Amino acid sequence: SAVISQKPSRDICQRGTSLTIQCQVDSQVTMMFWYRQQPGQSLTLIATANQGSEATYESGFVIDKFPISRPNLTFSTLTVSNMSPEDSSIYLCSVASLGPLETQYFGPGTRLLVL
Amino acid sequence: QKEVEQDPGPLSVPEGAIVSLNCTYSNSAFQYFMWYRQYSRKGPELLMYTYSSGNKEDGRFTAQVDKSSKYISLFIRDSQPSDSATYLCAMSGGNQFYFGTGTSLTVIP
Repeated sequence: SAVISQKPSRDICQRGTSLTIQCQVDSQVTMMFWYRQQPGQSLTLIATANQGSEATYESGFVIDKFPISRPNLTFSTLTVSNMSPEDSSIYLCSVASLGPLETQYFGPGTRLLVL
Repeated sequence: QKEVEQDPGPLSVPEGAIVSLNCTYSNSAFQYFMWYRQYSRKGPELLMYTYSSGNKEDGRFTAQVDKSSKYISLFIRDSQPSDSATYLCAMSGGNQFYFGTGTSLTVIP
């Protein structure tokens, strides 16, 4: 299994500002994902971070609001732009193991509170 | 129809009880089935995974997949207070992943 770290682990931000969340994996992985989990809710996929090309966004999520970078196979960032209180959530990075076994491993998450 | 359905609970059981958590799904293409455990304020942790139909046991945990009924289960024997968490089922096939909404479990000492 992959070991995934995220920075920051938590933050409190003011409305209208932006926050960049970093995700680092201890091994090269093909697929990386960003999820949002609002209080008491399950996981909502924001986008798939593609190495060397633009991220693939799910319905309801746009690049201007959630720009994503993936400069290499072990690192990705998610920026939450022009934040509002509705963006308060846990943001999770995950990586997929493919081939003979398909599963996902998650980072510890970033807890974001927007005031 | 959702791809994956999971009863959100909450489920509350006494310590030592057998817990049964379940999910149903609609896509017959799913081949991999997973259960995640998520403690409060933490990321989901992969608990068990199975490929295709059948049972898999790991200590007090047993994962069961019935592809003919499109139904998966997680059984926890001799439940402990430390098992109190939210349990999410997940499925994949063809590089597509789908998660249930999670079942909140509390094991009362």
